[in-house]
Amino acid sequence: SQTIHQWPATLVQPVGSPLSLECTVEGTSNPNLYWYRQAAGRGLQLLFYSVGIGQISSEVPQNLSASRPQDRQFILSSKKLLLSDSGFYLCAWTEQGRATEAFFGQGTRLTVV
Amino acid sequence: GQQLNQSPQSMFIQEGEDVSMNCTSSSIFNTWLWYKQDPGEGPVLLIALYKAGELTSNGRLTAQFGITRKDSFLNISASIPSDVGIYFCAGRWSGTASKLTFGTGTRLQVTL
Repeated sequence: SQTIHQWPATLVQPVGSPLSLECTVEGTSNPNLYWYRQAAGRGLQLLFYSVGIGQISSEVPQNLSASRPQDRQFILSSKKLLLSDSGFYLCAWTEQGRATEAFFGQGTRLTVV
Repeated sequence: GQQLNQSPQSMFIQEGEDVSMNCTSSSIFNTWLWYKQDPGEGPVLLIALYKAGELTSNGRLTAQFGITRKDSFLNISASIPSDVGIYFCAGRWSGTASKLTFGTGTRLQVTL
């Protein structure tokens, strides 16, 4: 069966520090991968998605970037965090080429102080 | 861009009551999904709908894909305390990478 792992679960970082969140999927090949952000009490905002290794599409211009160095690995990064980057970050995957459901990781609670 | 209006924003109900919530879109979707999110957790898929008019059940949950393809409904019957959480609708149209658009969520509180 497929599983998705996301870490760390929580993170407190100072303003101006770098960020690296990692997500990996097991049990499937060539998934579509997504990064979402959820502000407190709000819905999910799509940040980046990837249909293959090295292929990244950005939905929202911002202080963040994403990379996909391996088929089932998706990384969210920032060179210098802002206070407004605080939030709950979720990684998700869908099956390539099919209109299937999206499955989410457990999320990372990022607090920028 | 796509917009999803989800209502109600929050609900306070008593245990045993039935719950209804809905989502409407400004454009047509080909897929509707309903998720539940517990505090500090990722959303968990409850029901997936793929065809206009489709009515699908999952235990006490029932969801429908609206005929116009611009709306969807979720009903929870005989609510219990563990139903507490935030419920999100999500829609997808034919396009790149199966991107989902999420509603703003319905926060459900159940009192004993």
